[in-house]
Amino acid sequence: EVQLLDSGGGLVQPGRSLRLSCAASGFNFGNFAMVWVRQAPGKGLEWVSSVFGSGYGPKYADSVKGRFTISRDNSKNTLYLQMNSLRAEDTAIYYCAKGEGMEMTNYHFDYWGQGTLVTVSS
Amino acid sequence: QSVLTQPPSVSGAPGQRVTMSCTGSSSNIGAGHNVHWYQQLPGTAPKVLIYDNTHRPSGVPDRFSGSKSGTSASLAITEVQAEDEADYYCQSYDSSLSGWVFGGGTKLTVL
Repeated sequence: EVQLLDSGGGLVQPGRSLRLSCAASGFNFGNFAMVWVRQAPGKGLEWVSSVFGSGYGPKYADSVKGRFTISRDNSKNTLYLQMNSLRAEDTAIYYCAKGEGMEMTNYHFDYWGQGTLVTVSS
Repeated sequence: QSVLTQPPSVSGAPGQRVTMSCTGSSSNIGAGHNVHWYQQLPGTAPKVLIYDNTHRPSGVPDRFSGSKSGTSASLAITEVQAEDEADYYCQSYDSSLSGWVFGGGTKLTVL
């Protein structure tokens, strides 16, 4: 059974940093792209970042480019999101999700973590 | 403002058919990128409902169906049930943004 377990969220002051983790099990983690998607309170879904199975080709939404870094440790079946220079508008539930599809441009996200809440406030 | 446009809400009585739209542009849906649909029940993570425009994952009832034409896509639910009350999101890839995009979501209310 595929499972994704998000962790690392919490309350953080503006300008500070936080690292999220997503522990994966039940599939060959290194063979699949992974993404982070966030959802601000009462709002819709927003793709944040993605990385291929090899760790190659990280991509970022413009809203986080230069501040967030995605990485993965395939030996630990774990995905990370390092978030620096956090802003109030980064407040959201952050979900990791597994990418699925024949081509990157047609990926859908077939399994999701339960989400971890990040609150940026002084 | 989401790149993909969805109506904020739709409603229907139990047993009725409801549809919801997802409108994009020439850089996403119109560029030939597939559309996927997710259902998000209150307080839970999204779940894929339709992928690659028309395909249902195993376990998703055949009451749910998807279609795509031009720069738009639609999700249809036949014989809507109370348990279908949720938020629905469409998703595709945008070549201009070089990333994945979601619609703003449609809240389905079962009357």
